[in-house]
Amino acid sequence: QTVVTQEPSLTVSPGGTVTLTCASSTGAVTSLHYPSWLQQKPGQAPRSLTYSTSNKHSWTPARFSGSLLGGKAALTLSGVQPEDEADYYCLLFSSGGNLVFGGGTKLTVL
Amino acid sequence: QLVESGGGLVQPGGSLRLSCTASGFTFNNYAMHWVRQAPGRGLEFVSAINGDGDSTYYADSVKARFTVSRDNAKSTLYLQMGSLRAEDMAVYHCAREAYDSSGYYVDIWGRGTMVTVSS
Repeated sequence: QTVVTQEPSLTVSPGGTVTLTCASSTGAVTSLHYPSWLQQKPGQAPRSLTYSTSNKHSWTPARFSGSLLGGKAALTLSGVQPEDEADYYCLLFSSGGNLVFGGGTKLTVL
Repeated sequence: QLVESGGGLVQPGGSLRLSCTASGFTFNNYAMHWVRQAPGRGLEFVSAINGDGDSTYYADSVKARFTVSRDNAKSTLYLQMGSLRAEDMAVYHCAREAYDSSGYYVDIWGRGTMVTVSS
């Protein structure tokens, strides 16, 4: 069973830059995992930010960017805003038709 | 838009059926997922079904206890849950899986319905 690992928590200053990462226990994360990043604020449904490694939705702020970095999926926030404080989840598609989620990263903007 | 319903309080060993009603898109064109989130915990895949309803997938933790289905005429996704355990207690979200030239993604999520398992 695949385990996807993220940093449990990160802190960033307003206006700063932070990178969240997502590693798979089965090996390198590749584009064939179609890695996505989701944002979830308390009491709200998750919201997709990036998909298929680096694609953005029409609602995704420009400061969010997805990539692959050293065998991991990564989400970089540049020019962090206070409203970016949230939980962030990595999502990988498995060959078995199911979804695999990372444990989540709690991002604090301080 | 996706709206879940059917959650509530159920005793251990009991059953519950969740529904997810879709609007604003052609429902049968999309695979659909159920994802749950226990209180204070992360997101966990539960089950998925393709657009035609003839292929289904389950997490090991719910296999043989949960059944996913869909009624495309009603634009509704279902999750029949049985032999419920305390560890099944969570908010259950339905979500739409989409596909384009860049690959697969999950783009629309419902707000979820809470399932509480307690005696």
